[in-house]
Amino acid sequence: GQQVMQIPQYQHVQEGEDFTTYCNSSTTLSNIQWYKQRPGGHPVFLIQLVKSGEVKKQKRLTFQFGEAKKNSSLHITATQTTDVGTYFCAPGGSQGNLIFGKGTKLSVKP
Amino acid sequence: DAGVIQSPRHEVTEMGQEVTLRCKPISGHDYLFWYRQTMMRGLELLIYFNNNVPIDDSGMPEDRFSAKMPNASFSTLKIQPSEPRDSAVYFCASSLGLAPYNEQFFGPGTRLTVL
Repeated sequence: GQQVMQIPQYQHVQEGEDFTTYCNSSTTLSNIQWYKQRPGGHPVFLIQLVKSGEVKKQKRLTFQFGEAKKNSSLHITATQTTDVGTYFCAPGGSQGNLIFGKGTKLSVKP
Repeated sequence: DAGVIQSPRHEVTEMGQEVTLRCKPISGHDYLFWYRQTMMRGLELLIYFNNNVPIDDSGMPEDRFSAKMPNASFSTLKIQPSEPRDSAVYFCASSLGLAPYNEQFFGPGTRLTVL
């Protein structure tokens, strides 16, 4: 079935540094959603991307969908301690369900 | 709205016992999803319902797992008999529709430990 690889698996940054996580697929994706899960919490929706080359911004977060729709990225500028958590990409499956990647766990050192 | 409600929040049981997890979706949401999260396997979709009807249960690990949705406001995930390898966090989520134009709202999860 459709799977995606998220890299890196873990990222440790100093507060104020930038952070990027990548989501790569061997097949073309029709759409992709991103979620954030705080430690001990549950996944919370961040954004959805549908169009080739789409870029969306939410304050310090920038989301991109590749031109070939085979990859996506999430970039955080000037990380803060509140950014700590695991970030998941979730492509839409053929039936409209979501297939979650393994996630990138971000830790931020103050 | 209170969001997706799950109970219990924590469950500790012994191998061989029956476990029932409960979920109340957000009112008006037509889709309900059950996920299992472990360190090794990540977040896996077990089953999902549309208007109380199971649509895809291909993620259900084996016959020990069963899920029901008797009405629009209640769903259960049952494990009988439970095994230590079932230990995980089980999430229920609901949505108005399917991707791409609908986000999923997750409940707080049930942390299951099978001894």
